[in-house]
Amino acid sequence: EVQLVESGGGLVQPGGSVRLSCVGSGFTFSSYWMHWVRQAPGKGLVWVSRINTDGSSTSYADSVKGRFTISRDNAKNTLYLQMNSLRAEDSAVYFCARGISSGYSNSPWNSWGQGTLVTVSS
Amino acid sequence: DIQMTQSPSSLSASVGDRVTITCRASQGISNYLAWYRQKPGTVPKLLIYAASTLQSGVPSRFSGGGSGTDFTLTISSLQPEDVATYYCQNYNSVPLTFGGGTKVEIK
Repeated sequence: EVQLVESGGGLVQPGGSVRLSCVGSGFTFSSYWMHWVRQAPGKGLVWVSRINTDGSSTSYADSVKGRFTISRDNAKNTLYLQMNSLRAEDSAVYFCARGISSGYSNSPWNSWGQGTLVTVSS
Repeated sequence: DIQMTQSPSSLSASVGDRVTITCRASQGISNYLAWYRQKPGTVPKLLIYAASTLQSGVPSRFSGGGSGTDFTLTISSLQPEDVATYYCQNYNSVPLTFGGGTKVEIK
């Protein structure tokens, strides 16, 4: 069974930093592009970032570019999101997600983690 | 960036009704369109991808159509368990973008 488990969320002060983790199991983690998606309370889904299978290619939403860094450690089956210079508008549940098809960047997501809540507030 | 516009933003229908949600892309995305259902308090679930391909395990009352810029999600016979918010997604190119969501309720 495919599982994605996020951790690392919590209360952070504006301007602060936090690192989210997502551990994958039940599949060959190193074969899949991985994504971070966020959802502010009561709001819609917003794509944040993606990373290719070996970590050599990354993309970001404009709203987080220069502040967030996505990375992965395939030996640990773990995806990361380093979030710096946090703002109140970054408060959201952060999900990691995996595509249907291994090796493809253009793949819809059939596996999601349960999400981890990041609250940016003083 | 490709903008995805969903309509309506909410709807209320009776059990057994046929329900259609539309999604329009600001530029052509071929068939790189997915639909997700998110029940309250849960994680989004993939319903349809490639505009019209039903994800394994999804009931056949769900169907998708369209190509290019205009897409639809149809529920042929609305069930109580379909109460949820539905999102379309462009996965053609980054930034990957979602529609604003359609909240479906039972009348």
